[in-house]
Amino acid sequence: AQRVTQPEKLLSVFKGAPVELKCNYSYSGSPELFWYVQYSRQRLQLLLRHISRESIKGFTADLNKGETSFHLKKPFAQEEDSAMYYCALDSGAGSYQLTFGKGTKLSVIP
Amino acid sequence: GAGVSQSPRYKVAKRGQDVALRCDPISGHVSLFWYQQALGQGPEFLTYFQNEAQLDKSGLPSDRFFAERPEGSVSTLKIQRTQQEDSAVYLCASSGSGGTQYFGPGTRLTVL
Repeated sequence: AQRVTQPEKLLSVFKGAPVELKCNYSYSGSPELFWYVQYSRQRLQLLLRHISRESIKGFTADLNKGETSFHLKKPFAQEEDSAMYYCALDSGAGSYQLTFGKGTKLSVIP
Repeated sequence: GAGVSQSPRYKVAKRGQDVALRCDPISGHVSLFWYQQALGQGPEFLTYFQNEAQLDKSGLPSDRFFAERPEGSVSTLKIQRTQQEDSAVYLCASSGSGGTQYFGPGTRLTVL
C-alpha cells in the first residue's frame, strides 16, 4: 500500500529565508506526486505536480525516485506563503485516488 | 467558472441520526471523489465515481457510509446512524480530462 510521510507538523521560517517542506513516499510503482496548499479559510488547491515540472509562486519540487522524496522548496519565503501544505500521491493504478500526507503548517515570520 | 460546491457547509447531528452531504462538481467533470479529513490529518480517500458509475469504494469505513451519483453530476454522501468517530470534514473533488482534482470547501460534520 502507498504511504506519504511529511515529518514536520509545523515549520517556522523568517521572511526571506529558504523553505524546504519534506515529503517522502512509499510505493513500488511509478507514482505521480503533487503538492496541495490550503490558505487560511480557503479550500485545498493544487500547487504543483511533478510531471509539469513547473515553478508556481516560486515553489519547485523535484521527484527523487532513489530517495523516494518530493520535497517542496522556495529560495525566499514570503508572508503570504503561510499555509498548510499537503503532499499527495496518485499510484497511477487506475483508481486515481490521492493518498495524502498529514500536512505541514508553514508559518513565515515577518 | 464556478468551482466545486458542497452543502451544507456545517452539519451537527446527534449520534444515531442519518445525514446527507451534497457535492456539485465542476460542470463537465467526469470524475468525482469523496475524502474524509479528521482533525490534524490529511484527507483520506473514501470513494470514486466516473460519471454515474462508482468504480472504487474501498475507502468507505463501514456499511453505514453510502455514496451515489445517479445522473453523473451531483453526488450525495450518506451516513447512517452517525457515530462520534464520523466527526470530520468531508471533501468532494472533481476532475476532468487533465486529471487534476479540484476540491470543494468541505462539509464539517460534528456528531454529538
